Amino acid sequence: GQNIDQPTEMTATEGAIVQINCTYQTSGFNGLFWYQQHAGEAPTFLSYNVLDGLEEKGRFSSFLSRSKGYSYLLLKELQMKDSASYLCAVENSNYQLIWGAGTKLIIKP
Amino acid sequence: ETGVTQTPRHLVMGMTNKKSLKCEQHLGHNAMYWYKQSAKKPLELMFVYNFKEQTENNSVPSRFSPECPNSSHLFLHLHTLQPEDSALYLCASSPEMGGSYEQYFGPGTRLTVT
Repeated sequence: GQNIDQPTEMTATEGAIVQINCTYQTSGFNGLFWYQQHAGEAPTFLSYNVLDGLEEKGRFSSFLSRSKGYSYLLLKELQMKDSASYLCAVENSNYQLIWGAGTKLIIKP
Repeated sequence: ETGVTQTPRHLVMGMTNKKSLKCEQHLGHNAMYWYKQSAKKPLELMFVYNFKEQTENNSVPSRFSPECPNSSHLFLHLHTLQPEDSALYLCASSPEMGGSYEQYFGPGTRLTVT
C-alpha cells in the first residue's frame, strides 16, 4: 500500500526552530509537497521538492532524500501565526497526490 | 483568497435529503478535484476531472455523484448520505492533472449528516 507518515502533533516556542518530518512509501515518485492548513481554512501551498537537497524559502525550508523516502519541513523564527497543521503529500506515478494526516503545530509564547 | 470558491460553507442534511455542493475556480485551470477531509485522517481524493473528463473515481460510494459542466465549475451531488459522511469537503484546482503543479483549495463545505 501507499502511505505517508508524519507526527500527529508538535509543540514549539515562539522564536525557536522546529523540524517536521515526513516519511513516505508510494508507487512511484513525482515530487513532494508541503501545505499549511490553519484551523477551519483551506490548505495552502508551502513548498515542492523533486530533487534531493534543501529548498529554502524565507523562514521555511524543505528537505528531500528520495533514497530514504524522507522529507522534513524546517520552520525558523517561529511566530504565533505559524500555529497550524502541516500536510505532507507525494505525487505518485499515476499523478495522484497521496496525503499524510498532517502535523498539528502548537506555538507557545 | 485562492481563486477557488465553494458554496455552501456549511450544510446540515438528513439521510433522505438530496443536496449539491458547488465549486468555482477563476484561475483558468483545467483540473479540478473533490477531497474529503475527516478529523485526524489524510485527505481522501474522491474525484478528479482533467479537461472536463473524469479521470479518477477512488471507490467512492454512488451516493456521491460529481458533475463538471465546464472547466470552471464542479458539483458534488449528494443523496441518501450516512452519518459517517459528515466531514469537510474540499474542492481544489490545478493547471492540469499531474505535472507536479500545486493545487489551489477552496475553503470547503462543512457537511453534517443527521
